[in-house]
Amino acid sequence: GAVVSQHPSRVICKSGTSVKIECRSLDFQATTMFWYRQFPKQSLMLMATSNEGSKATYEQGVEKDKFLINHASLTLSTLTVTSAHPEDSSFYICSASRGGWAQETQYFGPGTRLLVL
Amino acid sequence: GENVEQHPSTLSVQEGDSAVIKCTYSDSASNYFPWYKQELGKRPQLIIDIRSNVGEKKDQRIAVTLNKTAKHFSLHITETQPEDSAVYFCAAAEITNTPLVFGKGTRLSVIA
Repeated sequence: GAVVSQHPSRVICKSGTSVKIECRSLDFQATTMFWYRQFPKQSLMLMATSNEGSKATYEQGVEKDKFLINHASLTLSTLTVTSAHPEDSSFYICSASRGGWAQETQYFGPGTRLLVL
Repeated sequence: GENVEQHPSTLSVQEGDSAVIKCTYSDSASNYFPWYKQELGKRPQLIIDIRSNVGEKKDQRIAVTLNKTAKHFSLHITETQPEDSAVYFCAAAEITNTPLVFGKGTRLSVIA
C-alpha cells in the first residue's frame, strides 16, 4: 500500500521560534504533496501544493514567507513554520499521491500537532 | 474556485439504522469525490470515493451516489455500528492528484 509519514507527530515550541515538519512518502514517489491545516473541530484547509523541484503554490491568505515549503526529493516535502505564534497552533497534515495517473488516490500522513506557547 | 457544502453538521442515529450525509459542490470541473472518516486526533481515512463517470458505488455497508447534473453526492451507511462514530468529510477535486476541497464535516454519533 501507499504509506505517508510525518515527523514530528507533536511539537511544543516557544513563540518566535521556527518549527520544521517533514512529510515522507515511504513506498512510492510523490511528485506532488499537499499541506493542510486543521483547527479544532473544523475542516481541513489547503495551505499549499508542493511540487518536487519547483516552488510551492500557496492558497490565498497563506503567507509564503511564514510557511516555507521545500520539496527537495520525490519522497520528502518539508513545511517550516517560521517565527511561530500561538495562533499558528494547529494540526498540520500532508497528503501525497503518485501523480500523473488519474486513478491514484491521495494518502494522508498522520498529522503533526503544533502548540505554540 | 470550488466550494463544497456538507449537511448535516451533526447526526445521531440508533445502532442498526442508516445514516445519510449530503454534499454539494460548485465547480463543474470536479471529477473526483472522496469521503473520509476522521477519528479524534487521527488522520483522515479514505472510506470510499467516486469518479464522475460513475453514478453509484458500494462497498459493504457504505455507498456513495453522485448526481453530476445537480452537483451533489451523498454517503450512505447502513446497519450503523458504534464504531462508525466519527467525523466524516466529503471532498471534491478535479482529479485525484489535485488539491482536495473539503466540506465542513459531519459528526456522526451511533447510539448503542
